[in-house]
Amino acid sequence: EVQLLESGGGLVQPGGSLRLSCAASGFTFSSYAMSWVRQGPGKGLEWVSAISGSGDSTYYADSVKGRFTLSRDSSKNTLYLQMNSLRAEDTAVYFCAKDQRKGAPNYFDYWGQGTLVTVSS
Amino acid sequence: DIQMTQSPSSVSAFVGDRVTITCRAGQGISSWLAWYQQKPGKAPNLLIYAASTLQSGVPSRFSGSGSGTDFTLTISSLQPEDFATYYCQQAYSLPRTFGQGTKVEIK
Repeated sequence: EVQLLESGGGLVQPGGSLRLSCAASGFTFSSYAMSWVRQGPGKGLEWVSAISGSGDSTYYADSVKGRFTLSRDSSKNTLYLQMNSLRAEDTAVYFCAKDQRKGAPNYFDYWGQGTLVTVSS
Repeated sequence: DIQMTQSPSSVSAFVGDRVTITCRAGQGISSWLAWYQQKPGKAPNLLIYAASTLQSGVPSRFSGSGSGTDFTLTISSLQPEDFATYYCQQAYSLPRTFGQGTKVEIK
């Protein structure tokens, strides 16, 4: 059974940093690209970042480019999102999501339960 | 970025009703479209991909159609567990963009 378990969310001041983790199980982690998708309070879904299965390629939304860094550790089956220079508008529930198949284009067939990031003074 | 526009933003319906939600892409995306269902406090759930392919385990009352720029999600006979928010998502290019969502409410 595929499982994705996020952690690392919390309250942080504007300008601060936070690292989110997503522990994956139930599939060959290194074979699939992974993404983070966020959802602000009462808002819709926003794709944030993606990383290839090998970890060689990363992609970012313009809203986080230069501030967020996505990485993965296949020995630990874990995805990481390092978030720096956080802003109030980054406040959201952050979901990690697995690509449905190998290669692009792609859809998200499994999602974690989400972790809440609140940026406030 | 490819903008995805859903309509309506919300719909009220009775159990047993047929419900149709539309999604329009800002440019042609072939059939690279998915539909997700999200219930409050939960993660989205993939219903349909490639515009019309039902994800494994999804009830057959859900169906999708369309290609190019115009797509529809149809629920043939609304069930109590279908009251939720539905999102379309394009997979044609990065960034992967979502529609703003359509909330299906009980009438």
